[in-house]
Amino acid sequence: NAGVMQNPRHLVRRRGQEARLRCSPMKGHSHVYWYRQLPEEGLKFMVYLQKENIIDESGMPKERFSAEFPKEGPSILRIQQVVRGDSAAYFCASSPSAGANVLTFGAGSRLTVL
Amino acid sequence: AQTVTQSQPEMSVQEAETVTLSCTYDTSENNYYLFWYKQPPSRQMILVIRQEAYKQQNATENRFSVNFQKAAKSFSLKISDSQLGDTAMYFCAFMKPGGGADGLTFGKGTHLIIQP
Repeated sequence: NAGVMQNPRHLVRRRGQEARLRCSPMKGHSHVYWYRQLPEEGLKFMVYLQKENIIDESGMPKERFSAEFPKEGPSILRIQQVVRGDSAAYFCASSPSAGANVLTFGAGSRLTVL
Repeated sequence: AQTVTQSQPEMSVQEAETVTLSCTYDTSENNYYLFWYKQPPSRQMILVIRQEAYKQQNATENRFSVNFQKAAKSFSLKISDSQLGDTAMYFCAFMKPGGGADGLTFGKGTHLIIQP
């Protein structure tokens, strides 16, 4: 079991470019959470998805950010027209069901905006 | 909404000593789950220990144990016989039953340094 896989581990973008972060949940897990970690901060919830559905996106900025979890393939967090303030580590976590009471995290993707 | 507070930004102890990291939380829920996660320099989030609020017995995992005080809404982590590999950020986290739409709520973390 490869665990939660995130890629890329490191991504550098210039202001105005797009960033795409991918997350493959653990085998058998159909629920995905995205978190953002700013320097010297804890992780902050962004969005919760099940296959083909966004369940809660209350933690995600309304503009420039979007997330999807298609029927086939990884979950993708997309940031359009990146700004320096988007520089952070983005973590994905998965769980097998809505009632599961533990999340398994990936190693994170560090986005640097120049 | 839930809040989690970790009042110690950084702690440093000698190898083999015992160290306690504090965490308090605020919630109106009666049943919930509490966690301690470790984040070493690799940045991987590693689950250290998990406590179910309806269980009075404190959770223990080898050298790691918690002191869960439900009435006080306190959830401290004790690391016994600390090792150099314990050096990491430690995050306390809260989860409502069933995961909840927002999953985990994290504190800001405590940077633990184990000195040789």
